[in-house]
Amino acid sequence: QKEVEQNSGPLSVPEGAIASLNCTYSDRGSQSFFWYRQYSGKSPELIMFIYSNGDKEDGRFTAQLNKASQYVSLLIRDSQPSDSATYLCAVGGYSGAGSYQLTFGKGTKLSVIP
Amino acid sequence: DVKVTQSSRYLVKRTGEKVFLECVQDMDHENMFWYRQDPGLGLRLIYFSYDVKMKEKGDIPEGYSVSREKKERFSLILESASTNQTSMYLCASSSRSGVDEQFFGPGTRLTVL
Repeated sequence: QKEVEQNSGPLSVPEGAIASLNCTYSDRGSQSFFWYRQYSGKSPELIMFIYSNGDKEDGRFTAQLNKASQYVSLLIRDSQPSDSATYLCAVGGYSGAGSYQLTFGKGTKLSVIP
Repeated sequence: DVKVTQSSRYLVKRTGEKVFLECVQDMDHENMFWYRQDPGLGLRLIYFSYDVKMKEKGDIPEGYSVSREKKERFSLILESASTNQTSMYLCASSSRSGVDEQFFGPGTRLTVL
């Protein structure tokens, strides 16, 4: 069974600070990595994806991937109260039957304090 | 703009009823998925389909079945609803490339009394 682990939080940061969200995964064959944001009562929406080792930046968001350590992170700079949500880490790879699937972590709840 | 729609946002059913949840996507995606999401348990895959009339069990298929007669439509069926199937049900789709993201529908909050 593939596993994706996240700190459940809640993670509280003051407005304007950097929020750091972490995720580890068990399957070394994983090929794609996603961060979804989910507001309470809403469905997940994609905010970042990364396929290669290193950093990928998009506005205030930076995704970091280290395949050797099986670790992926999301940094949110200049955190805003509107960033308060649950962040889901998802890892993609092939199942035993040969089909491609995402395995989701349970999510980290982030609260940005004004 | 990509779109995944689900037939109902909220649904209340009685124990033992047969329940149909429908999902439609307009992105011509090959892959479609049904998840349920429960507090503390995260998103769990029930079933997915990688082509019309093709399906594969996910992690928790017991008590559910699916149907995919057309590429854009994927239905989840609860043959005899039970209270432990009260949950948020999320449909998603993705392209055949596989490494692409999954796009989610708005979800159906199902309550079984």
